[in-house]
Amino acid sequence: AQSVTQLGSHVSVSEGALVLLRCNYSSSVPPYLFWYVQYPNQGLQLLLKYTTGATLVKGINGFEAEFKKSETSFHLTKPSAHMSDAAEYFCAVSDTGNQFYFGTGTSLTVIP
Amino acid sequence: DAGITQSPRHKVTETGTPVTLRCHQTENHRYMYWYRQDPGHGLRLIHYSYGVKDTDKGEVSDGYSVSRSKTEDFLLTLESATSSQTSVYFCAISESPMVAKNIQYFGAGTRLSVL
Repeated sequence: AQSVTQLGSHVSVSEGALVLLRCNYSSSVPPYLFWYVQYPNQGLQLLLKYTTGATLVKGINGFEAEFKKSETSFHLTKPSAHMSDAAEYFCAVSDTGNQFYFGTGTSLTVIP
Repeated sequence: DAGITQSPRHKVTETGTPVTLRCHQTENHRYMYWYRQDPGHGLRLIHYSYGVKDTDKGEVSDGYSVSRSKTEDFLLTLESATSSQTSVYFCAISESPMVAKNIQYFGAGTRLSVL
């Protein structure tokens, strides 16, 4: 069975500060990992995904994530937070691609 | 934005009544999904479809049924709505389960309240 744990349901950072959103996964097979962002009253948008190859994945809006197999982690980072980054972020894992398993989400607040 | 339309966007209904939510896509994607989003649970898969008339259950399928008679439409039916089905429902589509192409695009959601 697969599962995703997002540590911290709420994260606050100052504008310009580093953003770090944590995601740990459980999977019996090599996983495919995803980060999605959800703005208020909208659906989810893909930020980035890891399938195979390079473990550092770059996404949209300056976000990146690093797949660390030994730590079963896929943390999302951005060097400098912007007010427009305030949203809910979801980590997801899939093995076959037919089903995705989402974490419970992390709400990011950016303080001016 | 991917061409996904969910209807209705908001619905209030009473316990015991049937409810149907519609997802319509204009992308001709083969795979379609229904999720529910609840605080503290993230998104959970209800049902998905891998082609016309081909569907399968997700992790929270009890009390829900689906139908797909055309590529572009995927219907979610609550046969007899209960208060526990109050939630925000999202439809998603993807071109293929092959990971290289498996990007799920989400609709804007339907907010359902069962009183």
